[in-house]
Amino acid sequence: EAGVTQFPSHSVIEKGQTVTLRCDPISGHDNLYWYRRVMGKEIKFLLHFVKESKQDESGMPNNRFLAERTGGTYSTLKVQPAELEDSGVYFCASSQVTSVTGTQYFGPGTRLLVL
Amino acid sequence: GESVGLHLPTLSVQEGDNSIINCAYSNSASDYFIWYKQESGKGPQFIIDIRSNMDKRQGQRVTVLLNKTVKHLSLQIAATQPGDSAVYFCAENRDGNSGGSNYKLTFGKGTLLTVNP
Repeated sequence: EAGVTQFPSHSVIEKGQTVTLRCDPISGHDNLYWYRRVMGKEIKFLLHFVKESKQDESGMPNNRFLAERTGGTYSTLKVQPAELEDSGVYFCASSQVTSVTGTQYFGPGTRLLVL
Repeated sequence: GESVGLHLPTLSVQEGDNSIINCAYSNSASDYFIWYKQESGKGPQFIIDIRSNMDKRQGQRVTVLLNKTVKHLSLQIAATQPGDSAVYFCAENRDGNSGGSNYKLTFGKGTLLTVNP
């Protein structure tokens, strides 16, 4: 079974530019989460989709961040315009709604550097 | 505020020794805890979990202990191997028992485990 995949693995952009990150969850997983880790800090929750609906977006830092999950499959996270403090590693995770343990499986992350 | 944190940022052990990684949490309502392992360049990998109605759970070479009285969680790795070198995170999921939609994880800062050959 394929795991969670993310694209790109790395992105270097200039301040003010736009970047779009993509996450493909494990097939059949209705729950999709975005997290990020900025330098020296812990991994922080950004938002949670159940299928195509946003269940919780309380962790989104500001309106420069837009997450979508059209069709309830893959998700994109767009940062527009990017700022220096957006640099970090963005992780995506997915889980099954019916999973007893609620295990969230993480992708390898996208390393974003804003210059 | 509510938080999950770690006692030690780094831990260095000799190959073959047992490792103990600690974690403290502040929310007594937390009901589900998970340990993740993150190797360089990879995402967090699930190791083991435990619910608040348990105080111990064992996996392959790993044991998680939960002390709700002092709100402390630990991960024990038996016969530590070089491949165990990684950053270990504890995380909390308060809706883990709901049986419905899973919820967000709250992570600690992580402990870097280095295994010396």
